[in-house]
Amino acid sequence: DTAVSQTPKYLVTQMGNDKSIKCEQNLGHDTMYWYKQDSKKFLKIMFSYNNKELIINETVPNRFSPKSPDKAHLNLHINSLELGDSAVYFCASSPGTSGGVEQFFGPGTRLTVL
Amino acid sequence: DAKTTQPNSMESNEEEPVHLPCNHSTISGTDYIHWYRQLPSQGPEYVIHGLTSNVNNRMASLAIAEDRKSSTLILHRATLRDAAVYYCILNWGGSEKLVFGKGTKLTVNP
Repeated sequence: DTAVSQTPKYLVTQMGNDKSIKCEQNLGHDTMYWYKQDSKKFLKIMFSYNNKELIINETVPNRFSPKSPDKAHLNLHINSLELGDSAVYFCASSPGTSGGVEQFFGPGTRLTVL
Repeated sequence: DAKTTQPNSMESNEEEPVHLPCNHSTISGTDYIHWYRQLPSQGPEYVIHGLTSNVNNRMASLAIAEDRKSSTLILHRATLRDAAVYYCILNWGGSEKLVFGKGTKLTVNP
């Protein structure tokens, strides 16, 4: 049983296209996140949602739009893809929003923009 | 965001204990100390966290200095599977936000 799953695992696309990455968690958690890991391996939070409400939005371009249809899903839609969007995107979830909780990460989606 | 300092890399031999240090001199009273690791080509994995007292779990131990300005992650018997980048993260008690630094790349020699 995969706790946090993402699809697709790999995504190769042309500049200017629009693409989506899906994330699902079966842990019953209230909070979900998107992180970006660039080519230098820095891992940065992009968004967090709690009970389908946006909590954190870390100065991400508005070409990136997260959507949470329910507590178990948090999808990431990216418009007008740019070369600099190439990265590995990780989804995560946690049982709450306090600082003392564990976050569970998905396996990542490697996005390559050509 | 409170900052942590870790060595860029460390090496260990299999089946020996590993002590991974982390300095966080600007820690505040409500900051939790989290450790995550990232194995090659995988997502980060939670290891352990604590606030003031030392913590043990099935994966590791966390030793927190009395003044909380430093901590040490202890892997009691390193295995090849423990080779990963280990991140020490300070996380304010009121927020779920994790700020990852560069971490320590641990190499485990057979």
